[in-house]
Amino acid sequence: AQTVTQSQPEMSVQEAETVTLSCTYDTSESDYYLFWYKQPPSRQMILVIRQEAYKQQNATENRFSVNFQKAAKSFSLKISDSQLGDAAMYFCAYLSNFGNEKLTFGTGTRLTIIP
Amino acid sequence: DTGVSQNPRHKITKRGQNVTFRCDPISEHNRLYWYRQTLGQGPEFLTYFQNEAQLEKSGLLSDRFSAERPKGSFSTLEIQRTEQGDSAMYLCASSSGQGSSYEQYFGPGTRLTVT
Repeated sequence: AQTVTQSQPEMSVQEAETVTLSCTYDTSESDYYLFWYKQPPSRQMILVIRQEAYKQQNATENRFSVNFQKAAKSFSLKISDSQLGDAAMYFCAYLSNFGNEKLTFGTGTRLTIIP
Repeated sequence: DTGVSQNPRHKITKRGQNVTFRCDPISEHNRLYWYRQTLGQGPEFLTYFQNEAQLEKSGLLSDRFSAERPKGSFSTLEIQRTEQGDSAMYLCASSSGQGSSYEQYFGPGTRLTVT
């Protein structure tokens, strides 16, 4: 079974600065997807960024980028130019490409933005 | 399209009562997922439908939990004889599952409190 570990329960960053959230995972599969989801307080979860394991190039979405290290099974999220609206719980998630379509989530990192 | 909707948003029930939650997915999505999220944890998979077929239900916690999607559109999740340990946020998600786009779009959740 796959597992996802987020070792930072809480992080904080000054507004306009850069922060990196860590995620490691364990799998014996070679083909899968990795995601970062954002869950603002009392609001629904939204997808921030997606990475296909077969792609060597790291995904980027505006201020959000990932550092995907397949051999190390590491998938960190970098948020540049942090904004107050980035404050949320961030969840790393794993999805196998072998049919069960079940997302496996980490325990999350609560990100606080300091004005 | 306004996204995934869930009703009710909050449910308070007494131990031993049955509860039913509804999820309406994004209209063109044929895949529908149920997850459960307890405080301080990431969502945990419960079950998954492709159209009306329930293809995976390994996460359903006991035989008190059941889900259906009779016409391949909305879905219901029922918990019979509720227990205090069932208190959690129940999340629904949907996806089109086309190509490499396995993005799951989440609803706002139904928060269940069992007293």
